[in-house]
Amino acid sequence: GQNIDQPTEMTATEGAIVQINCTYQTYVFNGLFWYQQHAGEAPTFLSYNVLDGLEEKGRFSSFLSRSKGYSYLLLKELQMKDSASYLCVPMDRNYQLIWGAGTKLIIKP
Amino acid sequence: DGGITQSPKYLFRKEGQNVTLSCEQNLNHDAMYWYRQDPGQGLRLIYYSQIVNDFQKGDIAEGYSVSREKKESFPLTVTSAQKNPTAFYLCASSATMNTEAFFGQGTRLTVV
Repeated sequence: GQNIDQPTEMTATEGAIVQINCTYQTYVFNGLFWYQQHAGEAPTFLSYNVLDGLEEKGRFSSFLSRSKGYSYLLLKELQMKDSASYLCVPMDRNYQLIWGAGTKLIIKP
Repeated sequence: DGGITQSPKYLFRKEGQNVTLSCEQNLNHDAMYWYRQDPGQGLRLIYYSQIVNDFQKGDIAEGYSVSREKKESFPLTVTSAQKNPTAFYLCASSATMNTEAFFGQGTRLTVV
């Protein structure tokens, strides 16, 4: 099956930068999404990478290396509202999204 | 405003009763999905539909049923055959199967 490996929990300070890493199995792959999910709420779309490289969108950037089965989400100028779970979601060959439990990010003042 | 609407946000039912969760989108999306999320877990796919009048089972379809009679609507019925129905149910839609999915607010179902 598809395994997604992300840290369970991370802590960072308001105003700082944090990088959330994700590795996944490489043999079935059709792009990778990052979603944000606040506690008790639905996920919201952050970014999509299908080719290698960095995609920047405001304070958030996402990087992909297909050959390494590796992605990261970089969050800059952290705000308290960034406290949430961040979900690394590969898409398989059948265009199905593969959801793990994600990384819970805690922001401290 | 375009979006995807689930209702109600909270729902309580007695064990043994069927219950239908509503999902409507006005984004003109072809694909729609139903997921279930349990505490501390990732999303699990129940059913999905790529086009009107067609739908496919996901990973945990047992005890659930769906219909897709209109492009805008994809209701989910949780039947009495579902052994552990209490969960957070999420409906999503995407323009096509390989584009980003947008979610409704979710329905938190509690069966007592």
